[in-house]
Amino acid sequence: GQQLNQSPQSMFIQEGEDVSMNCTSSSIFNTWLWYKQDPGEGPVLLIALYKAGELTSNGRLTAQFGITRKDSFLNISASIPSDVGIYFCAGPIIQGAQKLVFGQGTRLTINP
Amino acid sequence: NAGVTQTPKFRILKIGQSMTLQCTQDMNHNYMYWYRQDPGMGLKLIYYSVGAGITDKGEVPNGYNVSRSTTEDFPLRLELAAPSQTSVYFCASRSRGADTQYFGPGTRLTVL
Repeated sequence: GQQLNQSPQSMFIQEGEDVSMNCTSSSIFNTWLWYKQDPGEGPVLLIALYKAGELTSNGRLTAQFGITRKDSFLNISASIPSDVGIYFCAGPIIQGAQKLVFGQGTRLTINP
Repeated sequence: NAGVTQTPKFRILKIGQSMTLQCTQDMNHNYMYWYRQDPGMGLKLIYYSVGAGITDKGEVPNGYNVSRSTTEDFPLRLELAAPSQTSVYFCASRSRGADTQYFGPGTRLTVL
């Protein structure tokens, strides 16, 4: 089945640093979604991307839909303590668009 | 709106016991989903439903059953609990035509 691979699996950074993470697939996706999961909570949608090459921002977060449609990137600028959590990419499975496949997540830890 | 609510928040079961994880959404969403999240992993789809009376298997359905008698409720049943079912379970819902799923806070289940 379709799989999403996220990189890196974990990051340890200083407060104020910028963060970059990516998500790749062997298959084409028509939509990319980025979710954040706070400790002990369910995932919450951050950004949705619908078009190849699209660049979308949500505050300090910026995500891009890769031109090949097989990857997506998420950047966080000037990280703050509340950015701690796990970031997941997700995309709808083409043959059954109501189902999402998730990457394994990037765990972000911030040292104050 | 309360969104997606799940009960219980925590549960410990003995091997062979059964239980039902409850999920309710008040957004009138057609689509509902059950995922499990194992430590350090992404979310894997157990079952999903596209509307009342209609359910289908996801990626990891073995050992679970679901029903969807109303639009609001989508309970997940474990008949014979096994240690491999120790996990955090998330319910989610989505409206027709939208890609974004809204998640509940999760149920942390331990089977000993």
